[in-house]
Amino acid sequence: GAGVSQSPSNKVTEKGKDVELRCDPISGHTALYWYRQSLGQGLEFLIYFQGNSAPDKSGLPSDRFSAERTGGSVSTLTIQRTQQEDSAVYLCASIKAGQQNTEAFFGQGTRLTVV
Amino acid sequence: GEDVEQSLFLSVREGDSSVINCTYTDSSSTYLYWYKQEPGAGLQLLTYIFSNMDMKQDQRLTVLLNKKDKHLSLRIADTQTGDSAIYFCAEGGGSQGNLIFGKGTKLSVKP
Repeated sequence: GAGVSQSPSNKVTEKGKDVELRCDPISGHTALYWYRQSLGQGLEFLIYFQGNSAPDKSGLPSDRFSAERTGGSVSTLTIQRTQQEDSAVYLCASIKAGQQNTEAFFGQGTRLTVV
Repeated sequence: GEDVEQSLFLSVREGDSSVINCTYTDSSSTYLYWYKQEPGAGLQLLTYIFSNMDMKQDQRLTVLLNKKDKHLSLRIADTQTGDSAIYFCAEGGGSQGNLIFGKGTKLSVKP
């Protein structure tokens, strides 16, 4: 596709269940970010993948959160044993690194609601 | 580590100018960015400035960069209700694709 695609667009889950959020970045983009946007909290960095380097996981809020990026393309963010405070919009962005101007292209996000 | 700070809210009247301010910490940033997020939509790049420039103008938008003070501002002239959105400042650039965002400033435009 032409842009960054995220699925599902909306997810409602029960507290304690695991969820997987998917991001399809723009083809050829080597850098991929996950962010979380909570109401009134702004944009929170979660994790950053760059090529074959080890990901920067410094933003993950707890060990219930993990992410992987297979084949340098699709990424999955997994939240285990979801809690109500995990409710937020999860945004993925891809960047064509290697250029001076690193414009980030964002997906529409997955709105996660934990009930 | 690197950090980008911006105020969370700004309210202006239609027709006035809006100025959104941002400070950053990484002096090696190559580019500084402004992203816009309209209600219910994703973030989109609004404008950017190269770090060796001090001003960039694009129609109603003026970006000012004070590299010495690591201060970036976005001025919107003749602000319209359609400009109501969250504006994110970001610093980045270079071969690694690192990008650090501020938490966003919510601009409310009153008629």
